[in-house]
Amino acid sequence: EPEVTQTPSHQVTQMGQEVILRCVPISNHLYFYWYRQILGQKVEFLVSFYNNEISEKSEIFDDQFSVERPDGSNFTLKIRSTKLEDSAMYFCASSPGQESQPQHFGDGTRLSIL
Amino acid sequence: AQSVTQLDSHVSVSEGTPVLLRCNYSSSYSPSLFWYVQHPNKGLQLLLKYTSAATLVKGINGFEAEFKKSETSFHLTKPSAHMSDAAEYFCVVILIQTGANNLFFGTGTRLTVIP
Repeated sequence: EPEVTQTPSHQVTQMGQEVILRCVPISNHLYFYWYRQILGQKVEFLVSFYNNEISEKSEIFDDQFSVERPDGSNFTLKIRSTKLEDSAMYFCASSPGQESQPQHFGDGTRLSIL
Repeated sequence: AQSVTQLDSHVSVSEGTPVLLRCNYSSSYSPSLFWYVQHPNKGLQLLLKYTSAATLVKGINGFEAEFKKSETSFHLTKPSAHMSDAAEYFCVVILIQTGANNLFFGTGTRLTVIP
């Protein structure tokens, strides 16, 4: 069965540095998402992406964050000037379309900011 | 506003006994509801979904959930727990009528299965 894949599985970065989290969504899916789960807290929506542009974003997704689909397969989340509170598990998801079609999640990237 | 409330942060059952994980939702629209499971150090796996068809939904690994509009509930059940069911379970709602497509997660219920 097709899977969403995320790399790296664990990223350790110094505070203030930039990180790029990478995702390869399922190939025939049209909608892409990023979610964040801070340790011990609930999973939170960050951003959704469709037709090469952001379709929705949460309050968390401020100017520090950006997303990109640089080619036909990758979907990236860039975090600039990382802060300690950015430490979390970041999940990428994709879905075939809207209309409540389920989102398929990757295994996540654990981001640790030192 | 829309949200889901998972009433129990932790549920512990003996192997072979029934599982009940509770979820209540609040929504101004007809919701689409999901249950996802997260095993340690793994991603989120879809267990089942409700999208206004049958109110009793069957999912993978023997789980099922019943949508009860009068009670605004979508509880997850399984007749007999297996050791491999130990994980974190999330009740999730989506509101397609608003044009948004993002998921709202509950706080999760950690299921422990005792041998």
